[in-house]
Amino acid sequence: DQQVKQNSPSLSVQEGRISILNCDYTNSMFDYFLWYKKYPAEGPTFLISISSIKDKNEDGRFTVFLNKSAKHLSLHIVPSQPGDSAVYFCAARPPGTASKLTFGTGTRLQVTL
Amino acid sequence: GAVVSQHPSRVICKSGTSVKIECRSLDFQATTMFWYRQFPKQSLMLMATSNEGSKATYEQGVEKDKFLINHASLTLSTLTVTSAHPEDSSFYICSAPPGQGLGYTFGSGTRLTVV
Repeated sequence: DQQVKQNSPSLSVQEGRISILNCDYTNSMFDYFLWYKKYPAEGPTFLISISSIKDKNEDGRFTVFLNKSAKHLSLHIVPSQPGDSAVYFCAARPPGTASKLTFGTGTRLQVTL
Repeated sequence: GAVVSQHPSRVICKSGTSVKIECRSLDFQATTMFWYRQFPKQSLMLMATSNEGSKATYEQGVEKDKFLINHASLTLSTLTVTSAHPEDSSFYICSAPPGQGLGYTFGSGTRLTVV
C-alpha cells in the first residue's frame, strides 16, 4: 500500500527552465510534507517543507504547493540548474514532530545544458 | 544545524556474519532514530524506530531478531544485521526527527554488500 506516490520516475528539463515534480498521497492524516534531494549512496538532503495549514511555501528557487482537497503537492524549481540533477523524494507524516516519515517512490530529475 | 554521523559508509561481509551500523547525533540529543532501507531505484522503506532506553518498534514484515536495534544513549543508535545473507545487501540510512529545524536529519548511509 503505497501511501505516497510520485508517478513520474524521471523528468528532463533544460537549464534555466522550471522543473515541476509531483507527489500524491492517500492518507488524510498526513499534515506535514517534505521534499528531499538525494544522490546515489548518500543520505537525503532536506529541501523544503509545508504544513497542511498552508498551500504554498517558498525558499529561494524552491516552492512547494499543497492542494489538500486533491491530496497533491508539487515542488517547483526555477530556474533549474545542472546541479539540481538528482533523485527527489517527497515525504509525509501524520501529526507529531517525531512521527515517522513515509516516502514517495522518487523522481529522477535531469537538468540538461 | 543538526548532524547525524553514520558509520561505516560501506561494508562488505561474508554470508552468515553480523554487521553493526552506528548512527551518532553530533550536536543534539536524539531520543528517537528511524532506520530505513533502500533497494536500488526504490523508495526509502522504514524498517524500525528506535527510542532511547526502550525497545525498538519494527515495521510489519521486518524481522526484529535479524535486525537488532539498540538505542543505549541519547546520541547513539545502532543497527546490527545478524547472520547476513546476500538478500540483505542494501543501502541503510538512519534519520532523527527535527529538533529546532524543520527537516528530519539523515545520516550519510551505509552500503552493505553480503557476499
